Amino acid sequence: QSVLTQPPSVSGAPGQRVTISCTGSSSNIGAGSDLHWYQQLPGTAPKLLIYGNSNRPSGVPDRFSGSKSGTSASLAITGLQAEDEADYYCQSYDSSLSGMVFGGGTKLTVL
Amino acid sequence: EVQLVESGGGLVQPGRSLRLSCAASGFNFDDYAMHWVRQAPGKGLEWVSGISWNSGTTGYADSVKGRFTISRDNAKNSLYMQMNILRPEDTAMYYCAKGSTYQLTHTWFDPWGQGTLVTVSS
Repeated sequence: QSVLTQPPSVSGAPGQRVTISCTGSSSNIGAGSDLHWYQQLPGTAPKLLIYGNSNRPSGVPDRFSGSKSGTSASLAITGLQAEDEADYYCQSYDSSLSGMVFGGGTKLTVL
Repeated sequence: EVQLVESGGGLVQPGRSLRLSCAASGFNFDDYAMHWVRQAPGKGLEWVSGISWNSGTTGYADSVKGRFTISRDNAKNSLYMQMNILRPEDTAMYYCAKGSTYQLTHTWFDPWGQGTLVTVSS
């Protein structure tokens, strides 16, 4: 059972928009801890996708965007492409656990 | 180019020990906290441990507290994880990751190494 809750899977057709939610609690996202997102392509190490709730590292397409509100956050992907098919993880800091926590991951399937 | 290269994984029997290493290059190693994150086969990511820039602060997940010890050698640009009393549930790919600041907390991980596989089985 992950501290941050994500849907196990989402899907969308090429060109469509999908969103992935990440729900936390008052000891992490709700406490003001920033939320970060990672993309893990099959057989590879995770890669930072969004940091500080809504910031994109250089090289990440602007099709990817993040937002945070209350105890939840979302990752939006617009103009879905086949190469976006991957696992996506959210991550934050939890003050009760005194450590970093991840969501359980969401598998994105491009139909 | 920032690069992290893990080593030291392998097959080990339950109850035995293993030491992982992570060689860093391409950035000022002693300016950043460093972390270990693991991923069991077919499962999600789990933060295991982190260490501040000067080794003054360390943190551990409850699942490894008392069994694993993180350390670093800034002179060698290297991060380590001593894993003792290994259990089958410790079987995972272990990734080394650079923190975003010198502190241990409120951080993101970028970049990640390619990982080293630890298998605990008799």
